[in-house]
Amino acid sequence: AQSVTQLGSHVSVSEGALVLLRCNYSSSVPPYLFWYVQYPNQGLQLLLKYTSAATLVKGINGFEAEFKKSETSFHLTKPSAHMSDAAEYFCAVSKTGTASKLTFGTGTRLQVTL
Amino acid sequence: EAGVAQSPRYKIIEKRQSVAFWCNPISGHATLYWYQQILGQGPKLLIQFQNNGVVDDSQLPKDRFSAERLKGVDSTLKIQPAKLEDSAVYLCASSLDPTSVGAGELFFGEGSRLTVL
Repeated sequence: AQSVTQLGSHVSVSEGALVLLRCNYSSSVPPYLFWYVQYPNQGLQLLLKYTSAATLVKGINGFEAEFKKSETSFHLTKPSAHMSDAAEYFCAVSKTGTASKLTFGTGTRLQVTL
Repeated sequence: EAGVAQSPRYKIIEKRQSVAFWCNPISGHATLYWYQQILGQGPKLLIQFQNNGVVDDSQLPKDRFSAERLKGVDSTLKIQPAKLEDSAVYLCASSLDPTSVGAGELFFGEGSRLTVL
């Protein structure tokens, strides 16, 4: 069965600082990995997805993530945090690469301070 | 383009009462999902429809939860009778044909927050 573990339920960074949100996966088959963002009182929105085409994936709002098979990781980064990045971020895994059978992590709440 | 619509946004009921949530997916999306998001946890898939047929309901507590998608468009999720542990946000999502590799994008509604007292 596929699963993801998000390290750190809360992360706080200063505006302009590097954002690093960690996600490790467990999968018996080559995984497909996703990052979703949830702003307060809103539904989830896709940030980016890895479907084996390239290990470094660029998403919306300046976010990117790198698939590292040797470390079974898919960490999300952004060089410079903005106040508007404050939200909850979910890593998800699927063995099909599609919207079906997504398994979500427990989420990381990102706080951005002045 | 209109997004996924859900109602009601908030609902408070007492245990053992019933509740129903409604979802209207994005036009043209054949696949519809209901997720349960308990506070502090990630969303958990309850049921997936492809058009008006059920693809996956393995995690749906069928003794109290039911869902239908008549005519392959709108969907209703019902809980009867509700338990305290059903307090959660119920998210509806839709997608294009999920069998297309790389499709992978769910479009979520804003959710229906249920509080069971």
